[in-house]
Amino acid sequence: DQQVKQNSPSLSVQEGRISILNCDYTNSMFDYFLWYKKYPAEGPTFLISISSIKDKNEDGRFTVFLNKSAKHLSLHIVPSQPGDSAVYFCAAREGSRGAQKLVFGQGTRLTINP
Amino acid sequence: SQTIHQWPATLVQPVGSPLSLECTVEGTSNPNLYWYRQAAGRGLQLLFYSVGIGQISSEVPQNLSASRPQDRQFILSSKKLLLSDSGFYLCAWSHGRPNTEAFFGQGTRLTVV
Repeated sequence: DQQVKQNSPSLSVQEGRISILNCDYTNSMFDYFLWYKKYPAEGPTFLISISSIKDKNEDGRFTVFLNKSAKHLSLHIVPSQPGDSAVYFCAAREGSRGAQKLVFGQGTRLTINP
Repeated sequence: SQTIHQWPATLVQPVGSPLSLECTVEGTSNPNLYWYRQAAGRGLQLLFYSVGIGQISSEVPQNLSASRPQDRQFILSSKKLLLSDSGFYLCAWSHGRPNTEAFFGQGTRLTVV
């Protein structure tokens, strides 16, 4: 049962344009969402997050949008740069006490073309 | 600042051999600790998590076990490796409060031959 889904395994975008990565979830108990960036043979690095009480969070070139009714979130990168080429993982968490377990999507490989 | 160390970076082990991967966190106390695995072409699967010394929760049945002998040390083990244990193993930590991100180590590429 895949609770967090990234249906696009790959995405190719021209440098300078906007990259939009999508993520869907099924568990209505999720109330905190995160995006991670991962290079090969390295651990994921945290990019940006959003609480379910918000619908948008922005940090520089990165903006995350959350649509709770659709159980959908997206990451916008603008303008896209060659260094943004990586695998991006969406993750979700139930904000309960104790362990803050992250549930990850399958990832989307983003390629920025010069 | 907090840092997380995970070693070794790569490991090739024969089927049936034991495994011990170690992870340590510096600069924080009483972190939540996690072991994830990324199989080829797949997402990150949570294997174990721990909210305190000696407290281990397993997410999926498997050939692996985890231990937390000290507050900031998390160990992933196996008595006898299987071919299917091959993958990229990641240790992570987070604060114990809600709505905080997890921070990952650099990972261990395990190949069982």
